[in-house]
Amino acid sequence: EAGVTQSPTHLIKTRGQQATLRCSPISGHTSVYWYQQALGLGLQFLLWYDEGEERNRGNFPPRFSGRQFPNYSSELNVNALELEDSALYLCASSLVEVIWPQHFGDGTRLSIL
Amino acid sequence: EDKVVQSPLSLVVHEGDTVTLNCSYEVTNFRSLLWYKQEKKAPTFLFMLTSSGIEKKSGRLSSILDKKELFSILNITATQTGDSAVYLCAVALNSGNTPLVFGKGTRLSVIA
Repeated sequence: EAGVTQSPTHLIKTRGQQATLRCSPISGHTSVYWYQQALGLGLQFLLWYDEGEERNRGNFPPRFSGRQFPNYSSELNVNALELEDSALYLCASSLVEVIWPQHFGDGTRLSIL
Repeated sequence: EDKVVQSPLSLVVHEGDTVTLNCSYEVTNFRSLLWYKQEKKAPTFLFMLTSSGIEKKSGRLSSILDKKELFSILNITATQTGDSAVYLCAVALNSGNTPLVFGKGTRLSVIA
């Protein structure tokens, strides 16, 4: 069974650009979570999708947005990139009744120059 | 504000040592406490603890929760170099609108 897959593995952007990160959950999982892991800050909750709907978002500015597609894959968009957005972005998935991330992907390393 | 605090932040031990990692929490509407191991990329699930005083074990790893004092410990006995990783503690809430609240992690380095 394939795990949570994220693409790309690495992404290098410059300040002011826009980035799109993608996530495919485990088959049968309909909930997707996004976390930011910046150096020294631990995992910070970004977004939570349940069956296509945004269930909640963390304390991040509106330039962080996303969506979940009918096949439950998800996309995270970050606009107007800033240096402080450099981090590992982790996606996780779960069965909808579990309400916490069961399996994590390997993440996308976003570097802002 | 919900908060999870792990200590120590980093730890270096020799192979064969026993280590104890600590996690304390201050949250509203506690549901469960989870431990993850993060080696290079994806955190992998270790334990979920919901009830006080019941030890969970998996090989050389064990964990216990104290809901009165609001903390959990993760023990690793006879450490091996493969145990080197960041260990993350997280709390799941009953509120249903907020998934896991994570601590900053403990970086464990096991040297031969």
